Amino acid sequence: DGGITQSPKYLFRKEGQNVTLSCEQNLNHDAMYWYRQDPGQGLRLIYYSQIVNDFQKGDIAEGYSVSREKKESFPLTVTSAQKNPTAFYLCASSKASRKSYNEQFFGPGTRLTVL
Amino acid sequence: KNEVEQSPQNLTAQEGEFITINCSYSVGISALHWLQQHPGGGIVSLFMLSSGKKKHGRLIATINIQEKHSSLHITASHPRDSAVYICAVTRSNTGNQFYFGTGTSLTVIP
Repeated sequence: DGGITQSPKYLFRKEGQNVTLSCEQNLNHDAMYWYRQDPGQGLRLIYYSQIVNDFQKGDIAEGYSVSREKKESFPLTVTSAQKNPTAFYLCASSKASRKSYNEQFFGPGTRLTVL
Repeated sequence: KNEVEQSPQNLTAQEGEFITINCSYSVGISALHWLQQHPGGGIVSLFMLSSGKKKHGRLIATINIQEKHSSLHITASHPRDSAVYICAVTRSNTGNQFYFGTGTSLTVIP
């Protein structure tokens, strides 16, 4: 079945460590997105990519990095520079279009806790 | 101020009740989306609309472009409808980027 997978579901990290969250999709979508969700707040965009080897910062990119070497994969690295990384992270994908709109499909999420 | 506002934040209903969740936005949009997030965290898309009304089973979504307002209705609510319902918009000049409301947490009691 087509869909988006994220791993791991739960992740624990010590302060000062970098950690990479995986996101894979087999929907043949060009665009992929990373969001962060905190209690009482709407989802916020971290990074997005419209095409392989290209990505743009979202509203809260500081302390995060991404790569898009393959169409199917868009990993997110939470670096030690991210001051408050404990959150729920969601990956999404969609057909890409700069001028119109498309449904986004979401992965199951990764809950990151910094100890 | 958030560009997308939802009300109420929390809602408790008895099974069988008719439920309405509201969404207002302050920017020009190309589409409005209603999403459902279950306790496990995964999100599914319920509706994408740019005008009028859409219906799927017991769910109905409406949008009034002039008033910049949308409603999500659930008829004959059931405990399995318990979830967080999120309104999101794609703005007219930013491609497919979503801008999200904070969500409405719905609990349906048997």
